[in-house]
Amino acid sequence: QVQLQESGPGLVKPSETLSLTCSVSGASVSSGNYYWSWIRQPPGKRPEWIGYIFYTGSTNYNPSLKSRVTISADTSKNQFSLRLGSVTAADTAVYFCARDTLDGIDYWGQGTLVTVSS
Amino acid sequence: DIQMTQSPSTLSATVGDRVTVTCRASQNINIWLAWYRQKPGKAPNLLIYKASTLESGVPSRFSGSGSGTDFTLTISSLQPDDFATYYCQQYNTYSRTFGQGTKVEIK
Repeated sequence: QVQLQESGPGLVKPSETLSLTCSVSGASVSSGNYYWSWIRQPPGKRPEWIGYIFYTGSTNYNPSLKSRVTISADTSKNQFSLRLGSVTAADTAVYFCARDTLDGIDYWGQGTLVTVSS
Repeated sequence: DIQMTQSPSTLSATVGDRVTVTCRASQNINIWLAWYRQKPGKAPNLLIYKASTLESGVPSRFSGSGSGTDFTLTISSLQPDDFATYYCQQYNTYSRTFGQGTKVEIK
């Protein structure tokens, strides 16, 4: 059974960098035809795709966030990570890590609320 | 960017009702569309991919149809577990975008 778990600070100050890690079990981030993804959902709004890293290490990002986002993977720990710089209150959301099969997103973490506030 | 628009935003129904949700893409996405159900405080759950293929383990009361720009999710007989918010999501390009959601509530 594939499981994903987000970890990281729940509170980030404006202008600082949000950093989250996703630990994966039951699958490998370094093999298989999957996009290891980050998705966020502001309270009461639709999910917003942030980006993903392919098992080859290639990445793609939401154009609206591209200048501030980096997604990387640590294959030795079977984890992948999100860094989002220069955050503002508009970045407050529940952040999910997930596995994109190229035919839908079949496994999601439980999500972690990140609040941007001083 | 491909925009996804769902209708209605809210739908009131009772157990046993046949329910239909519509999703429209701003450009042709062929059949590259997925549907999700999300309950409060939980992650979305994949129901359908490739517009009409039922994900493993999903009840057969769910079905999807459409291609190009217009798509439909149908629940043939609404169950108590189905009162939730439903999202469509396109994956035609390297990026992904979601519809604004349709909340199915108890009438």
